[in-house]
Amino acid sequence: GAVVSQHPSRVICKSGTSVKIECRSLDFQATTMFWYRQFPKQSLMLMATSNEGSKATYEQGVEKDKFLINHASLTLSTLTVTSAHPEDSSFYICSAVGLASRDTQYFGPGTRLTVL
Amino acid sequence: AQKITQTQPGMFVQEKEAVTLDCTYDTSDPSYGLFWYKQPSSGEMIFLIYQGSYDQQNATEGRYSLNFQKARKSANLVISASQLGDSAMYFCAMREGPGNTGKLIFGQGTTLQVKP
Repeated sequence: GAVVSQHPSRVICKSGTSVKIECRSLDFQATTMFWYRQFPKQSLMLMATSNEGSKATYEQGVEKDKFLINHASLTLSTLTVTSAHPEDSSFYICSAVGLASRDTQYFGPGTRLTVL
Repeated sequence: AQKITQTQPGMFVQEKEAVTLDCTYDTSDPSYGLFWYKQPSSGEMIFLIYQGSYDQQNATEGRYSLNFQKARKSANLVISASQLGDSAMYFCAMREGPGNTGKLIFGQGTTLQVKP
């Protein structure tokens, strides 16, 4: 299957700081990338859909100004958690889909964010 | 109403036996895709199998097969010859509409434990 990387895999930060998470499709061009959030032992919750070169589409209840998404190229999307607070602590995981991935979303390994 | 329902929060299976994980879905769109992902304790989401709504035959991928019953709106995952490494959380997901850029809706997940 296609390979998607995420960096960093784990981050601990102080409350009030901003954290940037990168999602890269390594062996295919991702026309669309998705960002999810997952709490322990729960399902994935879609936060936003990101298309290359255009603004992200956010799901209802997700703050656009808090979770900034940039899809600068066909292989890179970034999620920035601005002014992070302890309640933002979660597992963030991205996925990518493109013409070469044949209808399938391939996921990155996820980023575990802990805000102190 | 839930669009994807996984009614088994947890399942046990003896090593080398087969196990079926249930998934039912609800959509009025004639074109949709159904996916199964495995999430081990490391957190990564591993794509297992895909079934398109217009596919005539049930999808198979190695030890994984999808029992697609369109009239019943069910897409159960069958794992044959279970292995200890199959212990993980399993998610069923649906993409509505044609094309491969639609967002996925996930079920609640089923935790599978394989006993030696």
